Amino acid sequence: QKEVEQDPGPLSVPEGAIVSLNCTYSNSAFQYFMWYRQYSRKGPELLMYTYSSGNKEDGRFTAQVDKSSKYISLFIRDSQPSDSATYLCATHGSSNTGKLIFGQGTTLQVKP
Amino acid sequence: NAGVTQTPKFQVLKTGQSMTLQCAQDMNHNSMYWYRQDPGMGLRLIYYSASEGTTDKGEVPNGYNVSRLNKREFSLRLESAAPSQTSVYFCASRDRQKNQPQHFGDGTRLSIL
Repeated sequence: QKEVEQDPGPLSVPEGAIVSLNCTYSNSAFQYFMWYRQYSRKGPELLMYTYSSGNKEDGRFTAQVDKSSKYISLFIRDSQPSDSATYLCATHGSSNTGKLIFGQGTTLQVKP
Repeated sequence: NAGVTQTPKFQVLKTGQSMTLQCAQDMNHNSMYWYRQDPGMGLRLIYYSASEGTTDKGEVPNGYNVSRLNKREFSLRLESAAPSQTSVYFCASRDRQKNQPQHFGDGTRLSIL
């Protein structure tokens, strides 16, 4: 079993839809969780960084962590064609070295 | 403020050639990382440097060496390139003391024929 599992998609939605992206993780000791967005031929760009269970909101983006079920989500409201990208979930794991454990990434396409 | 800068952006090598990928960050971060990204495999850690003067192996270190030249720069060397090392290579940095997440460069696309 992979430490972080993420459905690779692809996911295609119409413009304006609410998008839900999800990951599960295996180790309850994992504490810090991130969402990165990666456009084609670019590096991963940090979107959200969360520690505790609950929600964190930034504009149209909401990150949610449920530690009881080891489940993390990213919601995108009013999705735009410019949101078309690959979204990667990641965690620092249980190490203090800062090494990241990534999900495979979900490819999202928002159609005008 | 450039963030994390990687050079070159593209490179084609022949099997057996050597190559050094350069990475520099201007955010005064103490930790730096090298990843490779392959289709279906996601991002995998090659080597990392938790602080200046230290380096450690990641998940896929075979065939690579690294040098933490100073706090700003962290280079990745392929001594004898193999086709299996065809990939996109990303460098990242992080402020470990503030427990901040990693920031990535835009990658080096490396093809080995």
